[in-house]
Amino acid sequence: DSGVTQTPKHLITATGQRVTLRCSPRSGDLSVYWYQQSLDQGLQFLIQYYNGEERAKGNILERFSAQQFPDLHSELNLSSLELGDSALYFCASSPRDRGIGTYTFGSGTRLTVV
Amino acid sequence: KNQVEQSPQSLIILEGKNCTLQCNYTVSPFSNLRWYKQDTGRGPVSLTIMTFSENTKSNGRYTATLDADTKQSSLHITASQLSDSASYICVAEGGLTGGGNKLTFGTGTQLKVEL
Repeated sequence: DSGVTQTPKHLITATGQRVTLRCSPRSGDLSVYWYQQSLDQGLQFLIQYYNGEERAKGNILERFSAQQFPDLHSELNLSSLELGDSALYFCASSPRDRGIGTYTFGSGTRLTVV
Repeated sequence: KNQVEQSPQSLIILEGKNCTLQCNYTVSPFSNLRWYKQDTGRGPVSLTIMTFSENTKSNGRYTATLDADTKQSSLHITASQLSDSASYICVAEGGLTGGGNKLTFGTGTQLKVEL
């Protein structure tokens, strides 16, 4: 157990639907990062939150949004889902906003859009 | 554009043998270079972290090297074990203006260790 909890582990939904992925960071970590990993692709950075505020954005689609709550857990919302959104979605946490530090990854949520 | 390229894409070795994985990166500004091990369907687990001033870092049977001038890194695995079978991912981290960090991931080298 890495200390980063992601739920659900698996999700199957139809095209056009909306889903919410949840991440609880490791205790004491203030930054949360979301990544997408499609089949045979490297992890693609989506977005970073630090202590409730958005800090950096990567290749996140407009159909996707995220937020970090006061208790530091984060949710990634994916809407108007397409077949191409099927992927593993990982959350990672780290203690700080930037600088050398430990990134701890969760086990991921496998999203299948049918 | 920030990029990380790894080679080989896949590798099969016999148990007990050594191997070296390669990574080339173009990330600016460069902060540090990380190697992760990712088992199938699991999240990446950190092996080593090196800043631009470090040349080598070891973690058990894993030894990473970094040449910040040529923007190359390698991960050497000694006395391989069946449990080393996994994807090994090179990650270059760069700071972003205005705050925050960005990790650029390679697509990984898929290592299989056989008897």
